[in-house]
Amino acid sequence: SQQGEEDPQALSIQEGENATMNCSYKTSINNLQWYRQNSGRGLVHLILIRSNEREKHSGRLRVTLDTSKKSSSLLITASRAADTASYFCATDFGNEKLTFGTGTRLTIIP
Amino acid sequence: SQTIHQWPATLVQPVGSPLSLECTVEGTSNPNLYWYRQAAGRGLQLLFYSVGIGQISSEVPQNLSASRPQDRQFILSSKKLLLSDSGFYLCAWRGQGETQYFGPGTRLLVL
Repeated sequence: SQQGEEDPQALSIQEGENATMNCSYKTSINNLQWYRQNSGRGLVHLILIRSNEREKHSGRLRVTLDTSKKSSSLLITASRAADTASYFCATDFGNEKLTFGTGTRLTIIP
Repeated sequence: SQTIHQWPATLVQPVGSPLSLECTVEGTSNPNLYWYRQAAGRGLQLLFYSVGIGQISSEVPQNLSASRPQDRQFILSSKKLLLSDSGFYLCAWRGQGETQYFGPGTRLLVL
């Protein structure tokens, strides 16, 4: 399967701390995307990083991509209670589809 | 601006009954459309996608089918539901870029 694997599966941190989650994949990609899903809702796009990029920032989000290791990480700085959600990476192989990872469930403790 | 609608939000159906879930997109033309299923606490499984009217690609052989009768309408159907069809069904669209935009989802419980 080309599905990405995310790690950890679940993460609980105190509000204000940084949260880091990782994604690994198996074959070459065009881009990698991160999405957030609040409980019982649809997914919301957070950030896209292309295969020729190594790092990207958006607000409190920082994404890195290491194509040699076929891995990406998402860092959320200064976490807030509203960041509690599941986070998914999705890989784009250039074939009109995305392949989603298994997700990391993030809980921010107030 | 673009919006995506899914209905119903929740559905409880008996085993063996038919299914029809509808997804419509507003504010864009000729989008790619996608149906995903998500089991509880799990990732997304792509079921079907469409790059144009009448063009459907099936990703996983199963008890479901999809149709795209209009440019911005995507329908997921089953003639006879199985217990294993329970889950959270998500529709998504993609325009010229690579990002997908998701609807609110339909929670289906087959009893």
